[in-house]
Amino acid sequence: EPEVTQTPSHQVTQMGQEVILRCVPISNHLYFYWYRQILGQKVEFLVSFYNNEISEKSEIFDDQFSVERPDGSNFTLKIRSTKLEDSAMYFCASRYRTSSGADTQYFGPGTRLTVL
Amino acid sequence: GENVEQHPSTLSVQEGDSAVIKCTYSDSASNYFPWYKQELGKRPQLIIDIRSNVGEKKDQRIAVTLNKTAKHFSLHITETQPEDSAVYFCAASGSYQLTFGKGTKLSVIP
Repeated sequence: EPEVTQTPSHQVTQMGQEVILRCVPISNHLYFYWYRQILGQKVEFLVSFYNNEISEKSEIFDDQFSVERPDGSNFTLKIRSTKLEDSAMYFCASRYRTSSGADTQYFGPGTRLTVL
Repeated sequence: GENVEQHPSTLSVQEGDSAVIKCTYSDSASNYFPWYKQELGKRPQLIIDIRSNVGEKKDQRIAVTLNKTAKHFSLHITETQPEDSAVYFCAASGSYQLTFGKGTKLSVIP
């Protein structure tokens, strides 16, 4: 069964550095998402992406964050200047259908980002 | 925006007993309600979902009920087993994003 994949599994960085988290969504999916989960807390929505543009973003997704689909398979999340509070597990998810909302999102295994 | 409340935050049951987790949502436009199971350090895995045109759905030992009028939905696990121990998240969606509850840590005691 196809799965969402993410790399790296763990990223350690210094405060102020840029990081890029990578995701390969399921190949025939059309919607792509980034979520984050601070240790011990709930999963929080960051951004959704469809047809090569952002469709929704949360308050967390400020100017330090950006997303890109540089080719036909990868979907990336960039954090320009990391802060200590960016330390979290970042999950990529993808969904197939174009109808609003009512379809399953499949999650990747996550990238644990540690900002020192 | 959508707000999802989930209770209880922790739940301990004896193996073989039933477990019930409840969620409420605020946005009447939400029409999709998935439940995810997350084991420690792993990705959230979808275990069951329900759409707003259905009141109940069952898959073996797992069932979900939805009351649109009251804006609440519940997860029922029967005949619990130790491998059911995990954190369970409910979520609601009316547009692109999922809004998650805070999670319930379920412990099944052998």
